[in-house]
Amino acid sequence: DTGVSQDPRHKITKRGQNVTFRCDPISEHNRLYWYRQTLGQGPEFLTYFQNEAQLEKSRLLSDRFSAERPKGSFSTLEIQRTEQGDSAMYLCASSLVERPYEQYFGPGTRLTVT
Amino acid sequence: GEDVEQSLFLSVREGDSSVINCTYTDSSSTYLYWYKQEPGAGLQLLTYIFSNMDMKQDQRLTVLLNKKDKHLSLRIADTQTGDSAIYFCAEGPASKLTFGTGTRLQVTL
Repeated sequence: DTGVSQDPRHKITKRGQNVTFRCDPISEHNRLYWYRQTLGQGPEFLTYFQNEAQLEKSRLLSDRFSAERPKGSFSTLEIQRTEQGDSAMYLCASSLVERPYEQYFGPGTRLTVT
Repeated sequence: GEDVEQSLFLSVREGDSSVINCTYTDSSSTYLYWYKQEPGAGLQLLTYIFSNMDMKQDQRLTVLLNKKDKHLSLRIADTQTGDSAIYFCAEGPASKLTFGTGTRLQVTL
């Protein structure tokens, strides 16, 4: 199966610690997106990449958050000095640039900050 | 700003049709989308409709778009227990989707 994969699936961390999540998109997809979903809400856009370039960032992405896609393939999302309010599901999606309306989502990484 | 609203819950009997409704605010959206989320899973793209269309049918799914009222609906014919999930409406430029809060569909026997 060559769907979007995310690692880890679950992460529990103490407040103040740093965490990093990884997303592997569908192999030929040149666009990669990050969203955050809190309980009972729909996903909220965080940022997206086209190849290795980060083209847009939401205001939700505070300076404690950083995302990279160094070789235009997998991406990492790092949260520094985690806060309880960062507890959420972090979703990654990918698409072809020619078909951006077909975003395929991974299973997500559930972060719990204690 | 963009806002997408959906009712929170819908209960239907197996075999009946389900209709999930959504209103949106961004009239510049080129596409509007329906996603399905099952417990513990990511989102599955069900269908999308181009903004210059008013209807799209795909097997058991029918999407209706009323641009004047900024209203989108998803009809699921012959609803099955496997259709139980949360359904999200989304709008926006394809690079940055805005999702509604989701409608939980419960299918009863």
